[in-house]
Amino acid sequence: DAKTTQPPSMDCAEGRAANLPCNHSTISGNEYVYWYRQIHSQGPQYIIHGLKNNETNEMASLIITEDRKSSTLILPHATLRDTAVYYCIVVWWTDKLIFGTGTRLQVFP
Amino acid sequence: GAVVSQHPSRVICKSGTSVKIECRSLDFQATTMFWYRQFPKRSLMLMATSNEGSKATYEQGVEKDKFLINHASLTLSTLTVTSAHPEDGSFYICSLWAVEFYGYTFGSGTRLTVV
Repeated sequence: DAKTTQPPSMDCAEGRAANLPCNHSTISGNEYVYWYRQIHSQGPQYIIHGLKNNETNEMASLIITEDRKSSTLILPHATLRDTAVYYCIVVWWTDKLIFGTGTRLQVFP
Repeated sequence: GAVVSQHPSRVICKSGTSVKIECRSLDFQATTMFWYRQFPKRSLMLMATSNEGSKATYEQGVEKDKFLINHASLTLSTLTVTSAHPEDGSFYICSLWAVEFYGYTFGSGTRLTVV
């Protein structure tokens, strides 16, 4: 079973920041938080991952709480092409990814 | 990230026939690959872990004889759906793990329709 809880859907206006929350209260000390997204009928796309510290790359920022029990993925300026299902996954390095139900993000004009 | 080529992207087959789906790592030697299945509007379900040179490890409830997985080389894993039936129709996706590419990279998926 997936170890994360995400809201089933969210809306965001184009150009605004999209903040996608994820709860992972049972995360263990050596498990990473990975974020992927899946656009309709495509394979999942890697976004970002982190262990303890906040992370930022060209796509997004990942904010992990100090107790590591939750995290937030931030898309700073959402575009229509960011409409997708976003998956937050907790996994030990090299282990298999188990997907939860994800959050369906709809970016509207 | 690592480039994973999955082929074919779409396939339609007759009921009772077998279909082979290929997953290739184009720029990395992958000792481990994963196979997922996805039903419409549902999440990805892990089917099996494919290890190069050894037998695949199947998840509970996945029929080994129905879904044959072969990982004969470090760059190729195949999933064969045997004696396909309409209920086997689904979206199949492969993935590989590569430390050089932040972990996990996915293929573009194969949509199987059985008629």
